[in-house]
Parts: sequence; C-alpha cells; structure tokens
Amino acid sequence: NAGVTQTPKFQVLKTGQSMTLQCAQDMNHNSMYWYRQDPGMGLRLIYYSASEGTTDKGEVPNGYNVSRLNKREFSLRLESAAPSQTSVYFCASSWAGSTDTQYFGPGTRLTVL
Amino acid sequence: KQEVTQIPAALSVPEGENLVLNCSFTDSAIYNLQWFRQDPGKGLTSLLLIQSSQREQTSGRLNASLDKSSGRSTLYIAASQPGDSATYLCAANINTGNQFYFGTGTSLTVIP
Repeated sequence: NAGVTQTPKFQVLKTGQSMTLQCAQDMNHNSMYWYRQDPGMGLRLIYYSASEGTTDKGEVPNGYNVSRLNKREFSLRLESAAPSQTSVYFCASSWAGSTDTQYFGPGTRLTVL
Repeated sequence: KQEVTQIPAALSVPEGENLVLNCSFTDSAIYNLQWFRQDPGKGLTSLLLIQSSQREQTSGRLNASLDKSSGRSTLYIAASQPGDSATYLCAANINTGNQFYFGTGTSLTVIP
C-alpha cells in the first residue's frame, strides 16, 4: 500500500498562474482533506470531502477549488495563484471522517512569486 | 472557533529522560483529539487518537491523556531516544464540524 500520495512534490508559480495539486489514496477511505501549513500558523483546513460526491469548505477556502474525482482521488486547484498561497499543502484521508485517524501524504511545497 | 495551543514551542532533553508535551484547547465540546509526529520536510504520522469518552490511550512508550473539563491533553514519552526527535502536533475535533484544529507544535530534540 502506498497510502496517500501527492503530486507534485515541489512547484514554483508566478502570480496569476493556475495549477492543480493531485492526491490519491489506496486505503479505501471515505473522507479526504486538503490542509495548508504555514510557519507559526499550524495546519489549517482548506476543503474536505466527507464522502465521494461531496465537498465542503474548511477554515481557509478562498482562492481554491476542489474536485472529488472518485473515491480514491481528491484534487486542489488554484485558479489564479497569489504570493499569499505560498505554503506547504498536505492531503489526508480517513475511513470515517474526523471520528477516525487521519493519514497524511508527504506534502507539496508551493512557492508563488 | 477552537483555539489549540502547544507550549513549549521547543524542548531539548537528554536521552533516556521521560517527558511530557502539553496541548490545550478552548472548546470543551471536543469529539476527539489526535497526536501526530512530523519529521522535517515530511508529512504527519498519527500517534494516538483519543475519543471524548476516553481518558487516555497508550502505544508503546507513548501515553496520551485527555481532560475535557480543563481543556488539556498531554503526551507522555517514556525513556526518550534520539529517534524521537521531531515536531509533535495535537489536533482537536469539535462536535459541530468535520474539522480538526491543529496546534503549532512542539519541536523536540533528544540529545544522545
């Protein structure tokens, strides 16, 4: 089992460019999450998908969109990147939402110039 | 909004010492609390998950406790080893949403 995988590992964008961060899990989990981690801020939830076909906003959704493509895959899209979106992005999954252990991917380090 | 605080931000101890990491949260309507470990440049690894109905959970040298009334959780590490060096984060989940609120972590260094 690969667990939770994320691509790419690193990315540099210019302001205004768009990109999609990919996440996949092979644990047959129902719930998936996108977080960002910034120094001194802790991890903050961007969007989550409690189950296939549903998505909901988290604490900091502005500037992002998500797609739950199927049970395995959950993508995060930046339509027009801004320097404030420079961060490390983590995808996570769990069997039964937040009542259950969350498993994290290795992260994507994004820099917006 | 749930506020989660971890103090101290950094801790350095000699190998073999027992230690306690602290996590406090503002909303006592907590559903569960999870402790994670994060190595530099890596993702988070779950250590222990404590449900609101539980007082503590144990895994090997780790023991986590939860006191909802005081808004505190502690992670006890016995007989620390250099391999325990990492950042430890706690995350609290409240009843009203499908969301964990994370602390900023305690960076632990165990000196051989």
